[in-house]
Amino acid sequence: DTEVTQTPKHLVMGMTNKKSLKCEQHMGHRAMYWYKQKAKKPPELMFVYSYEKLSINESVPSRFSPECPNSSLLNLHLHALQPEDSALYLCASSPGTTFNEKLFFGSGTQLSVL
Amino acid sequence: EDKVVQSPLSLVVHEGDTVTLNCSYEVTNFRSLLWYKQEKKAPTFLFMLTSSGIEKKSGRLSSILDKKELFSILNITATQTGDSAVYLCAGGYSGNTPLVFGKGTRLSVIA
Repeated sequence: DTEVTQTPKHLVMGMTNKKSLKCEQHMGHRAMYWYKQKAKKPPELMFVYSYEKLSINESVPSRFSPECPNSSLLNLHLHALQPEDSALYLCASSPGTTFNEKLFFGSGTQLSVL
Repeated sequence: EDKVVQSPLSLVVHEGDTVTLNCSYEVTNFRSLLWYKQEKKAPTFLFMLTSSGIEKKSGRLSSILDKKELFSILNITATQTGDSAVYLCAGGYSGNTPLVFGKGTRLSVIA
């Protein structure tokens, strides 16, 4: 299995809702990532987990809360989002923990905040 | 100042044309350069380059790294409409630094 699976594929939420994005990989990768991508822009790093511990938080607002329950799963909990948070959210994983190696991306969750 | 710079930012070509996409990078702590293709959602991996002057090839796509001049090129020969995508270049740096992405080149191939 060489895939990174993300659910849901699409999500529409109001500014008072609480929702979660899920990401799963079964490649035995030790690092997992959340990226945010706005239209016509490159992916922008949000968080990196290494061996299930948060290693990098790129000054992301607290309305985004990551969680890594085990080595195969990564969640992103969303609460009180703003319309400007509408974007494609990409999960990725990499085999090691140097963070500068090949990333395997999921198909993303297209999020719309109303 | 951007660590990884891609050019052009967008390009329109006709089917059958050959295109060259450029990516320049900052040298400090540089380890590797990666190319990805993004059509709709997931960026898909194309090449990873670490050694200068060694061409990597996959079908009609090829890429090479020039560590003296600090750039890489991605060539696509005999382009097809299915090559239409955003091509992302990313620099890998040492020191537990995540990949640094360029802004991407948006390629449109028209019939």
